[in-house]
Amino acid sequence: KQEVTQIPAALSVPEGENLVLNCSFTDSAIYNLQWFRQDPGKGLTSLLLIQSSQREQTSGRLNASLDKSSGRSTLYIAASQPGDSATYLCAAFYGGSQGNLIFGKGTKLSVKP
Amino acid sequence: DTGVSQNPRHKITKRGQNVTFRCDPISEHNRLYWYRQTLGQGPEFLTYFQNEAQLEKSRLLSDRFSAERPKGSFSTLEIQRTEQGDSAMYLCASSPRGAEAFFGQGTRLTVV
Repeated sequence: KQEVTQIPAALSVPEGENLVLNCSFTDSAIYNLQWFRQDPGKGLTSLLLIQSSQREQTSGRLNASLDKSSGRSTLYIAASQPGDSATYLCAAFYGGSQGNLIFGKGTKLSVKP
Repeated sequence: DTGVSQNPRHKITKRGQNVTFRCDPISEHNRLYWYRQTLGQGPEFLTYFQNEAQLEKSRLLSDRFSAERPKGSFSTLEIQRTEQGDSAMYLCASSPRGAEAFFGQGTRLTVV
């Protein structure tokens, strides 16, 4: 069964700290992996998409990496700000006969001023 | 606004009533997905369309749920005879095939 796990479930850090969010997936035959941000009561905002052929993607203070062989992806947030407080979700896409994204349960991040 | 649009944003209904949600995807995106999300959980897949064809349905999609995407444009998700367990956020997403998925703001359903 294809599963996605995110650890920790919650994380609290002081403002300015660099941090890493973890995502692991059971099936390494991944087509791409996508990171999302979700604010309370809102939909999902796409942050970064990494194709299976890529090792990392960067957008501003965010950097996402992908290691297919170990079944892991990380989202690195540099110089965290209170506005980064949200739930971060990763989702694996396998393509082929399975067309849907498989989500982890998310990591709830709180950045304290 | 060229993003994914969902309506209504909130819906309160009495148990046993039918409800219908609408999703307007980003134009030219041939894939459209429906997900359900409950508090503290990640989104759970319900169904997806490629153009007008419904290609996959989750076992979560009981016979009370039906989805359509006529003409491969907007989509509707109908829940018949709603139950309290149907209370959740219903999310719609669209993407070009195999590429980045974009989500709408969701429809929050409360069954009382």
